[in-house]
Amino acid sequence: EAGVAQSPRYKIIEKRQSVAFWCNPISGHATLYWYQQILGQGPKLLIQFQNNGVVDDSQLPKDRFSAERLKGVDSTLKIQPAKLEDSAVYLCASSLHGVGGSTDTQYFGPGTRLTVL
Amino acid sequence: RKEVEQDPGPFNVPEGATVAFNCTYSNSASQSFFWYRQDCRKEPKLLMSVYSSGNEDGRFTAQLNRASQYISLLIRDSKLSDSATYLCVVNPTGSGTYKYIFGTGTRLKVLA
Repeated sequence: EAGVAQSPRYKIIEKRQSVAFWCNPISGHATLYWYQQILGQGPKLLIQFQNNGVVDDSQLPKDRFSAERLKGVDSTLKIQPAKLEDSAVYLCASSLHGVGGSTDTQYFGPGTRLTVL
Repeated sequence: RKEVEQDPGPFNVPEGATVAFNCTYSNSASQSFFWYRQDCRKEPKLLMSVYSSGNEDGRFTAQLNRASQYISLLIRDSKLSDSATYLCVVNPTGSGTYKYIFGTGTRLKVLA
């Protein structure tokens, strides 16, 4: 079974530039998550999709970050304009359900390492 | 108080040692708990879920203490390959939806 795919793996940009990340979840997984992981910290949820609807975007800095999941499959996360503090690894994860009373395992992609100069 | 707290470590232990990590959570309504492992510059991977009755998988044992609101991870007979960061993950909502809150992680170094 193919895992969660992300691209690019690395990106270096200057502050105030724009950048976009792409994620393709595991086939059949209804829920997709974008996390930001700053060095030395745990992943922080930015946005969670259930199919193509947003479940939680409470920690997404909406003045500069946007995300979409068209057709309920792959997703893009955009930053415009980037700031120095956006330097981090952006992780995409997917899970089969995302809702319900049973446990639901998240599978992570390899991440995109963003450096803002 | 943070929703999920962990001692960042590092815990430096010799091969063969037993080591334990704790993780505290603030929301008493939390329903789901997990331990993830993250190797340097890699993505997190599920190590084990934590059930109310405890959970054991080989050398790894996870336990939940609801009264004191913490979960623990015990690693017996540590191997060099166990060196990694161990992330505590809690679903704080208890509403049937999945919102995962990650701790900062505990770094483990197993020394030869």
